[in-house]
Amino acid sequence: KAGVTQTPRYLIKTRGQQVTLSCSPISGHRSVSWYQQTPGQGLQFLFEYFSETQRNKGNFPGRFSGRQFSNSRSEMNVSTLELGDSALYLCASSLAPWGGANTDTQYFGPGTRLTVL
Amino acid sequence: TQLLEQSPQFLSIQEGENLTVYCNSSSVFSSLQWYRQEPGEGPVLLVTVVTGGEVKKLKRLTFQFGDARKDSSLHITAAQTGDTGLYLCAGVAGNTGKLIFGQGTTLQVKP
Repeated sequence: KAGVTQTPRYLIKTRGQQVTLSCSPISGHRSVSWYQQTPGQGLQFLFEYFSETQRNKGNFPGRFSGRQFSNSRSEMNVSTLELGDSALYLCASSLAPWGGANTDTQYFGPGTRLTVL
Repeated sequence: TQLLEQSPQFLSIQEGENLTVYCNSSSVFSSLQWYRQEPGEGPVLLVTVVTGGEVKKLKRLTFQFGDARKDSSLHITAAQTGDTGLYLCAGVAGNTGKLIFGQGTTLQVKP
């Protein structure tokens, strides 16, 4: 069974540009969560999608947005990029909506390394 | 805001030594997870602890959840070079279901 795939793996953008990252969950998984990982802040939750609906959102500005398609694939978009957006963006999938009483395993992808110049 | 503090942030030891990583918070978590992340890869789940006082063992790794469900520890016995990596604890915030990560502990095990 293929794992979580993320594309692209590496991306270089300049300030002010926008970027779209893609995540394909494990087959059959309907929940996709996105995280930002930086050396200073560590891993921070961005948002979670289940059945094309955003279930949960972290404390990030509105420049960060996402969506999920009917095949469970998800995209996240960052508009008006800032230098501080340079990070590893990770997506994770699980069978059911994550959190609360559900502690099913979340499977992480390898991430997209975004560099903003 | 719920925070998880991990210590130490960096650990460099010789193969065969024992070590303990701590994960502390002033908040209660409904469950706590430990992950290991290697360079160029995403975190991989090692264990989930749910009950206060729970102890789980995974070969040479022992995980403990504090009685009050505010802290946890990871103990590695006789570390091996293959244990090298970034260890992350993550707590599930009971009311929101969000996963909150600690800053991580970078472990280097030298031969």
